[in-house]
Amino acid sequence: NAGVTQTPKFQVLKTGQSMTLQCAQDMNHNSMYWYRQDPGMGLRLIYYSASEGTTDKGEVPNGYNVSRLNKREFSLRLESAAPSQTSVYFCASSERQYYNEQFFGPGTRLTVL
Amino acid sequence: GQQLNQSPQSMFIQEGEDVSMNCTSSSIFNTWLWYKQDPGEGPVLLIALYKAGELTSNGRLTAQFGITRKDSFLNISASIPSDVGIYFCAGSYSGAGSYQLTFGKGTKLSVIP
Repeated sequence: NAGVTQTPKFQVLKTGQSMTLQCAQDMNHNSMYWYRQDPGMGLRLIYYSASEGTTDKGEVPNGYNVSRLNKREFSLRLESAAPSQTSVYFCASSERQYYNEQFFGPGTRLTVL
Repeated sequence: GQQLNQSPQSMFIQEGEDVSMNCTSSSIFNTWLWYKQDPGEGPVLLIALYKAGELTSNGRLTAQFGITRKDSFLNISASIPSDVGIYFCAGSYSGAGSYQLTFGKGTKLSVIP
């Protein structure tokens, strides 16, 4: 099992460009999450999907949209990238929300110039 | 929102020494998780705790769920160079239907051979 995979691994954008970060999990998990990690800020939740067909905002959703394409895949879209969105983005998944043991992907390092 | 204080922020220790770090919350949790993150990688789940007072081990790692439900502790015994990394605590309270994890800002561990 690959666990949680993310593409791309690195990306450089210019201000105003758009892009979609892809995430897939092969653990048959119900819930999926998108986080950003900034120096000194820890991990902050952007959006999550409790189950296929549902999505909800997290702590820092502004400037992002998500799509839960199917049970395996959860994408994060930046419609008009801004320098403040320079960060490392992590996707995670968990089997059951209550216990919330989340398993993380390797991350996408995004730079917005 | 919920606040998690993780301490210390960083530690330098000699190989073979024991390590202790802790997290305290402004409100109660019913799940505590401990993760380790290596440079350029995603966080990896080390230990999960579900009951107040619970003490759980994973090899040289031992974690405890505080009896007040507002704190948790992680101990590493006989540290080795591969213990180097950033350790994060995370907690969640699912009683109100919210299943979000709140993360501490991490403890950066350096091991001197």
